[in-house]
Amino acid sequence: QSVLTQPPSVSAAPGQKVTISCSGTSSNIDNNYFSWYQHLPGAAPKLLIYDNNKRPSGIPDRFSGSKSGSSATLGITGLQTGDEADYYCGIWDPSLSSGVFGGGTKLTVL
Amino acid sequence: QVRLQESGPGLVKASQTLSLTCTVSGDPISYGGYYWNWIRQHPGKGLEVIGYIYYTGDTYYSPSLKSRLTISTGTSSNKISLTLTSVTAADTAVYYCARGGWISGTYVFDSWGQGTLVTVSS
Repeated sequence: QSVLTQPPSVSAAPGQKVTISCSGTSSNIDNNYFSWYQHLPGAAPKLLIYDNNKRPSGIPDRFSGSKSGSSATLGITGLQTGDEADYYCGIWDPSLSSGVFGGGTKLTVL
Repeated sequence: QVRLQESGPGLVKASQTLSLTCTVSGDPISYGGYYWNWIRQHPGKGLEVIGYIYYTGDTYYSPSLKSRLTISTGTSSNKISLTLTSVTAADTAVYYCARGGWISGTYVFDSWGQGTLVTVSS
């Protein structure tokens, strides 16, 4: 059972905005930073966001992140069909001394 | 730029041992402060970190697999090995190797292999 909880699925129309939530369930992670990953079908997962809201080089600014308390949110604007993927939040769990993922959220662009 | 590539048998019989190798190029695994992870994804499910080996040689294993899992590195090669004993159908999954490390204050998995599907047959 992960310390991070995500909705199983979200959907929105092309061009619209969507948000994906990630709720922390353990006080152990309150002071840690979230990351987000995009997992396209048949591809390796890709880092989208780190430090709650920073984008690695090459990640478009359509992707954004925020954190409030022990929860985080990924936002995607200007949705494209190519954004259809599974999205995972991640964090360091000090109780395990390991990185962990949320259960993942499947994004459907209708 | 670091590159990771998993290799190993795609089919393993139940009760036998699964062995996979992750070949790393572009970055020596023995230093740099990185964690070399094995992550798996059961069919239709999410990503699960099953273990890692730190650049110091220290290891972490998921509590659910600790009794069956060994992660090691080669003495003279840039490879990370996974050995999982007594496999069952529940071990059928795509197995990824991924580099973990700290960017600023965040632990991230910043480089991944393409993954390899392992099916356990009865």
